[in-house]
Amino acid sequence: DGGITQSPKYLFRKEGQNVTLSCEQNLNHDAMYWYRQDPGQGLRLIYYSQIVNDFQKGDIAEGYSVSREKKESFPLTVTSAQKNPTAFYLCASSSLPYGYTFGSGTRLTVV
Amino acid sequence: AQKITQTQPGMFVQEKEAVTLDCTYDTSDPSYGLFWYKQPSSGEMIFLIYQGSYDQQNATEGRYSLNFQKARKSANLVISASQLGDSAMYFCAMRDRGNQGGKLIFGQGTELSVKP
Repeated sequence: DGGITQSPKYLFRKEGQNVTLSCEQNLNHDAMYWYRQDPGQGLRLIYYSQIVNDFQKGDIAEGYSVSREKKESFPLTVTSAQKNPTAFYLCASSSLPYGYTFGSGTRLTVV
Repeated sequence: AQKITQTQPGMFVQEKEAVTLDCTYDTSDPSYGLFWYKQPSSGEMIFLIYQGSYDQQNATEGRYSLNFQKARKSANLVISASQLGDSAMYFCAMRDRGNQGGKLIFGQGTELSVKP
């Protein structure tokens, strides 16, 4: 079945450590997105990519980085510059104008 | 600027009754799409229903229908015959041509609790 796989489901980060969240899709979608969700809040866009080897900052890109070397993969790195990284992270892909599909998410906690 | 507003942080409904979740939006683009998603406690986002700005009829998908009032810029979700499994967070979202790369803009969400 086609879909988006996010891993790991839970991730713990120490202060000053970089961590990478994985997002893989087999839907052949061109566009991919990373969203952050804080408790009781809606989703906010971190980064998006419309095509391989190209990506754009979203509304809250500071402290995050991404790459898009393959159409299927859009990993997100949470760097030590992100001061409050504890949140739920959702990856999505899209075949515009409709067809957004979300992964099951990664819960990141700073310890 | 584009914006989605959900004014009901939490709602309660009795099982088997209908419930309406409110959503208002703001955009200057005449071409846009409105989405509703369900997010259970597991965190996944489940697509429920879509309404295009040029669609002549209100969208329906099983027990879900969208009350689209274009002049009032509202896109309320109606769930008929509520079930215990409907208890979740519900998000209204919008995409228009002005959005970066087709991103969705989300409201703050409404937490729906279905009582037996």
